[in-house]
Amino acid sequence: AQSVTQPDIHITVSEGASLELRCNYSYGATPYLFWYVQSPGQGLQLLLKYFSGDTLVQGIKGFEAEFKRSQSSFNLRKPSVHWSDAAEYFCAVGARAAGNKLTFGGGTRVLVKP
Amino acid sequence: ETGVTQSPTHLIKTRGQQVTLRCSSQSGHNTVSWYQQALGQGPQFIFQYYREEENGRGNFPPRFSGLQFPNYSSELNVNALELDDSALYLCASSPPTGTGSFEQYFGPGTRLTVT
Repeated sequence: AQSVTQPDIHITVSEGASLELRCNYSYGATPYLFWYVQSPGQGLQLLLKYFSGDTLVQGIKGFEAEFKRSQSSFNLRKPSVHWSDAAEYFCAVGARAAGNKLTFGGGTRVLVKP
Repeated sequence: ETGVTQSPTHLIKTRGQQVTLRCSSQSGHNTVSWYQQALGQGPQFIFQYYREEENGRGNFPPRFSGLQFPNYSSELNVNALELDDSALYLCASSPPTGTGSFEQYFGPGTRLTVT
């Protein structure tokens, strides 16, 4: 069975500082990995995805993530945070063998200090 | 290109009632998935529809059911509503698997409150 853990429930970062959100997954085969962002009361917006190939993937809004198979991790990073990045971030794992259903982590809420 | 749309935006129902939520998939997408997101939690997979058939189901009771129509739009029906059904219900569509894309694109959700 697939599972995703996001160890940090809340993270507070100053505007302009770097951000790293952690994600660990459990899945027997090569997973499909995603990061989504959710603003309050809104749906989920896809930030980036990993299916195969280059383990460092670039996404929208200046985000990137690195797939590390040996650590079963897919951490999200941004070099310089903007106030508009305050939101909840979800890591998700999917797999064709599982009918492409997504299993989500519990989310990390990011607060940005001025 | 129109994204995923859902209706209604908000809904208030009484325990024991039935509810139908609607979703229109993104243009060109033939697969629709439904997720339940309780307050403060990540979304949980309810089921997926492909070619008008259920194509996978999460750990939800049979009172959660769905439909997909020939135009790929979808409905989620919940019977005998319980207080714990209060949540944000998210619909997501995904392109044909032959395109090599596996991502899902989400709608804005329907906020259901059961009193």
